[in-house]
Amino acid sequence: AQKITQTQPGMFVQEKEAVTLDCTYDTSDQSYGLFWYKQPSSGEMIFLIYQGSYDEQNATEGRYSLNFQKARKSANLVISASQLGDSAMYFCAMRGLNRDDKIIFGKGTRLHILP
Amino acid sequence: GAVVSQHPSWVICKSGTSVKIECRSLDFQATTMFWYRQFPKQSLMLMATSNEGSKATYEQGVEKDKFLINHASLTLSTLTVTSAHPEDSSFYICSATPRQGGWNTEAFFGQGTRLTVV
Repeated sequence: AQKITQTQPGMFVQEKEAVTLDCTYDTSDQSYGLFWYKQPSSGEMIFLIYQGSYDEQNATEGRYSLNFQKARKSANLVISASQLGDSAMYFCAMRGLNRDDKIIFGKGTRLHILP
Repeated sequence: GAVVSQHPSWVICKSGTSVKIECRSLDFQATTMFWYRQFPKQSLMLMATSNEGSKATYEQGVEKDKFLINHASLTLSTLTVTSAHPEDSSFYICSATPRQGGWNTEAFFGQGTRLTVV
């Protein structure tokens, strides 16, 4: 069975600082995909970044980067130069390689950016 | 990016009535859609996998007779909460991944439906 663990229920970060949101996972699959989604108070799910288990390079998307350490089964999200608009709930998620596989989510981390 | 439209965005219903929630992929086809339930300040819990042209697959503990899922076409899945009770009040959200996408294609989510049963 797959499992995602996010150990930080909430974080407070000063604007313009970098922040790392932790995510560890457990799976018996050899191939899988890892995602990060952002959920503002409106409830919509916003895709941020994807990392395939076989990708040797860490994924990056603008201010978002994923620190992927396969041996440790961790996939931490790094947000550089945080902005007030980054305040939201962040979910780490996992899926098999098949795009029709279900996605399971961690419990999430609520990020608060302080002005 | 691809768009998934969910309707209604919010609904209030009386206890004992049924409510239907629609999830449409507007610009892509999806053989599989997923329905999640989210309680306040909690994570998304997968309820069921909606399969086009066949029966839905429910997660353990989800009552299939209470949460009816129909995936009649490649662009539409519906979730019907039957005989709703106050404990069914929650945020329901659907997702789908385009068929034509690659292995790294993300799942797209509807806007969610906030259901309140009074």
